[in-house]
Amino acid sequence: EVQLVESGGGLVQPGRSLKLSCAASGFTFSNYYMAWVRQAPKKGLEWVATISTSGSRSYYPDSVKGRFTISRDNAKSSLYLQMNSLKSEDTATYYCARHRRSSEWYFDFWGPGTMVTVSS
Amino acid sequence: DIQMTQSPSFLSASVGDRVTLSCKASQNINKYLAWYQQKLGEAPKLLIYNANNLQTGIPSRFSGSGSGTDFTLTVSSLQPEDVATYFCLQHNSWLTFGSGTKLEIK
Repeated sequence: EVQLVESGGGLVQPGRSLKLSCAASGFTFSNYYMAWVRQAPKKGLEWVATISTSGSRSYYPDSVKGRFTISRDNAKSSLYLQMNSLKSEDTATYYCARHRRSSEWYFDFWGPGTMVTVSS
Repeated sequence: DIQMTQSPSFLSASVGDRVTLSCKASQNINKYLAWYQQKLGEAPKLLIYNANNLQTGIPSRFSGSGSGTDFTLTVSSLQPEDVATYFCLQHNSWLTFGSGTKLEIK
């Protein structure tokens, strides 16, 4: 059974940093592109970052480019999101998600999410 | 950037009703559209991929159709457990979600 479990969320002050983790199990982690998706309170979903199978390529929307960095450790079946210079608008539940395949970027499995609150 | 518009934003229907949700893209996305169900407090679940393919394990009362810019998710006979918010996602050019349709039982 595919499982994705996020951790590392919490309350952080504006301008500070936070690193999220996602532990994957039930599938060969190194074979899949992985991503982070967020959902602000009572709002819709927003794609945040994607990383290739080897970790050599990463992709971001303009809203987080230059502030967020996605990475992975295939030996540990783990995905990470380093978030710097956090803003109040980054407050959201952050989901770890698996892309179906490198040529089809929809998500087929999601974790339960971890909440990040950016506030002074 | 491709924008995705879902309608209606809220829908109330009775158990057993046939329900249709719409998702429109601001430009052609071919067949590259997925539908998700998100129940309160839970992660989204994939229902339909590539416009009309049913994900494994999803009840056959769910179906998808469309291509290009106009897409539809249909629930043939609404069940109480279908209460949720439904999102569409285009993956033709990067990734964009629709704003969602909240489905409730009348």
